[in-house]
Amino acid sequence: EADIYQTPRYLVIGTGKKITLECSQTMGHDKMYWYQQDPGMELHLIHYSYGVNSTEKGDLSSESTVSRIRTEHFPLTLESARPSHTSQYLCASSRFSAHTYNEQFFGPGTRLTVL
Amino acid sequence: GIQVEQSPPDLILQEGANSTLRCNFSDSVNNLQWFHQNPWGQLINLFYIPSGTKQNGRLSATTVATERYSLLYISSSQTTDSGVYFCAVTTSGTYKYIFGTGTRLKVLA
Repeated sequence: EADIYQTPRYLVIGTGKKITLECSQTMGHDKMYWYQQDPGMELHLIHYSYGVNSTEKGDLSSESTVSRIRTEHFPLTLESARPSHTSQYLCASSRFSAHTYNEQFFGPGTRLTVL
Repeated sequence: GIQVEQSPPDLILQEGANSTLRCNFSDSVNNLQWFHQNPWGQLINLFYIPSGTKQNGRLSATTVATERYSLLYISSSQTTDSGVYFCAVTTSGTYKYIFGTGTRLKVLA
């Protein structure tokens, strides 16, 4: 079954640690996105990619970095986690088609808490 | 950039009631989606609806692109409808979605 996966689902970590949030999709989508969301609030785009070796920063400034070496994989890395990074991180993917144009699908999210 | 506003921001309903959620956008859009975020944080696709009307069970949606708004109708609401409803749009020349501020719905048994 085609889907989009995120690991870990929950992460509690101390200040200063390096972390990588994983996102993979089996939907054959070329576009992938990372959003940051505080509980119950709107989503803010922090990174996106239109294909392999293509990454761009989103509308919300973030200290995280991303890479896109394989079409299906779009990991997000924080080199030194801080309490201000505490949030939910949502990964999404999409693909242009004549029928759906660019419908986005989301993974289950990672809830990050930095102590 | 484009502004996306949703109303009402908060809504409390008794089970079985009907409701209408609104999404206004400040510029022309070429893509519009409605999502439901459940209490566990998962975003569920409800409709892809840049224009026209669609129905799926108790839910339906209408987008009037020329007047820059979209409506989501929920009929015979159930407690499982609780959560946050978001609309999201893209404008010409970009694949980036801009999300609205959300409507927080609570359905009481």
